[in-house]
Amino acid sequence: SQTIHQWPATLVQPVGSPLSLECTVEGTSNPNLYWYRQAAGRGLQLLFYSVGIGQISSEVPQNLSASRPQDRQFILSSKKLLLSDSGFYLCAWGALSAGELFFGEGSRLTVL
Amino acid sequence: QKEVEQDPGPLSVPEGAIVSLNCTYSNSAFQYFMWYRQYSRKGPELLMYTYSSGNKEDGRFTAQVDKSSKYISLFIRDSQPSDSATYLCAFNSGGYQKVTFGIGTKLQVIP
Repeated sequence: SQTIHQWPATLVQPVGSPLSLECTVEGTSNPNLYWYRQAAGRGLQLLFYSVGIGQISSEVPQNLSASRPQDRQFILSSKKLLLSDSGFYLCAWGALSAGELFFGEGSRLTVL
Repeated sequence: QKEVEQDPGPLSVPEGAIVSLNCTYSNSAFQYFMWYRQYSRKGPELLMYTYSSGNKEDGRFTAQVDKSSKYISLFIRDSQPSDSATYLCAFNSGGYQKVTFGIGTKLQVIP
């Protein structure tokens, strides 16, 4: 069966520091991969999606970037964090056709 | 007009009650309709998935889609305290690009 791992689970970072969140998927090949952010009182916001190695599409212009160095690895990064980057970050993989998404456990980021 | 409307609640019900959760949408291109359940501090998990108008039942859960009214519902029968979570409706027009989520309704089932 497919599993998705996301880390770290929690982190507190100062403003201006870098960020790296990692996500890996097991049990499937060539998955569609997604990064979402969930802020308090707001819905899930799609940040990036990828349909293959090196193929990244950005939904929201911002302080963040994503990379897919391997088929089942998806990384979310920032060079300099802003206060507004605080939130709950979720990695997901999707079935090709119907939009079903399977989420990781999430990474809670607090920027101080 | 927002693409998806969902009442954030919170909704509190006694154990054993029938719960009705709803979303409206405006995008006629949506073809796939989903409900996710999210426990506190966890990632959402897919609960129900439907393609067409009508009802789909899975145990205590029933998903209902009315495309003509652009309205979807999730019914929970014999609600349990373990059902306490946030329920998100979600929509997709086909393909991998975007799944559009509602804001989520927070449900509390009181023993």
